[in-house]
Amino acid sequence: GQQVMQIPQYQHVQEGEDFTTYCNSSTTLSNIQWYKQRPGGHPVFLIQLVKSGEVKKQKRLTFQFGEAKKNSSLHITATQTTDVGTYFCAGPFGFNKFYFGSGTKLNVKP
Amino acid sequence: DAGVTQSPTHLIKTRGQQVTLRCSPKSGHDTVSWYQQALGQGPQFIFQYYEEEERQRGNFPDRFSGHQFPNYSSELNVNALLLGDSALYLCASSLDPGTDRYGYTFGSGTRLTVV
Repeated sequence: GQQVMQIPQYQHVQEGEDFTTYCNSSTTLSNIQWYKQRPGGHPVFLIQLVKSGEVKKQKRLTFQFGEAKKNSSLHITATQTTDVGTYFCAGPFGFNKFYFGSGTKLNVKP
Repeated sequence: DAGVTQSPTHLIKTRGQQVTLRCSPKSGHDTVSWYQQALGQGPQFIFQYYEEEERQRGNFPDRFSGHQFPNYSSELNVNALLLGDSALYLCASSLDPGTDRYGYTFGSGTRLTVV
């Protein structure tokens, strides 16, 4: 079936350490999106990747889209307590219909 | 703030009852999608409305239905509530086909508890 898998489910890091979450799709995706949901909040759009092998950066966040367009990763350098939350990837399975992964919950110890 | 507005914020219903959740999309957006998010899980796609019609549907039973009004606002109806319907219901708006460039804008959600 159509699904997007994410690992790890949880990640606990010390402030200043790096963090990476991985996303894998069962099928080739036309694009992939990443969202962040703070505790008690709602998902907030971070970025979209479209091209095979694409790499995009937002300050300490680096997003990659795999060459086969079936996997993606989000890497945070030198985590801060403000990075706490759950990070979701989402891929389109049908026009404008995005399926979300189960998310990676990041906890940062000060 | 012209973001996505959902009401009510919290709701408690009894098993077997019916519920209606409401959503006003971000100003300028014409597409509304509904998601169900169980505790600790990712959002699950319920359906999407565009031009007052259901355009896409996820793997949810017919107990889940919706509507979109001419002003682009939307309702989600759930009949014959089950305990398993307890979740955060998220409304997401987008500009068709702008989702592919700018992503969804989510509302704060309605927390539904079925007892």
